[in-house]
Amino acid sequence: EVQLVESGGGLVQPGGSLRLSCAASGFTFSSYWMHWVRQAPGKGLVWVSRFSSDGSTTNYADSVKGRFTISRDNAKNTLYLQMNSLRAEDTAVYYCARDGGYSNGYPFDYWGQGTLVTVSS
Amino acid sequence: DIQMTQSPSSLSASVGDRVTITCRASQSISTYLNWYKQKPGKAPKLLIYAASSLQSGVPSRFSGSGSGTDFSLTISSLQPEDFATYYCQQSYIIPRTFGQGTKVEIK
Repeated sequence: EVQLVESGGGLVQPGGSLRLSCAASGFTFSSYWMHWVRQAPGKGLVWVSRFSSDGSTTNYADSVKGRFTISRDNAKNTLYLQMNSLRAEDTAVYYCARDGGYSNGYPFDYWGQGTLVTVSS
Repeated sequence: DIQMTQSPSSLSASVGDRVTITCRASQSISTYLNWYKQKPGKAPKLLIYAASSLQSGVPSRFSGSGSGTDFSLTISSLQPEDFATYYCQQSYIIPRTFGQGTKVEIK
């Protein structure tokens, strides 16, 4: 059974940092592109970042470029999101999601349960 | 970025009703269009991919159609578990943009 379990969320002050983790199981993690998607309270889904299976490609939404860094450890079956210079508008539930294929053209076929990040003083 | 616009933003319907939600892309995305369902406090769940392909395990009352810029999701006979928010998403290009969501409520 495919499982994605996020952790690392919490309350952080503006300007602070947080690292999210997404532990994957039930599939060959190293073969799949992975994404982060966020959802502010009461709002819609917003794509944040993606990381290719082989580590050659990373992409970011303009709103987080230069502040967030996506990475992965295929030996640990874990995806990460390092979030620096956090702002109030980064407050959201952060989901990791598996890409159903590679590059473009495929849906997010599995999602984690999400981890809440709250940026507030 | 490709803008995805859903309509309506919300709707009220009864169990057994036929419901259709539309999604329009700001440029052609071929059939790289996916639909997700989300219940409050839960993660989104994939329903339809490539505009019209039903994800494994999804009931056949869900169907999708369209290509280019105009797409639709239809629920042929609304069931109690279908009351949720539905999102379309393009997988044509990065950034992978979503529609704003359509909340399906009980009438």
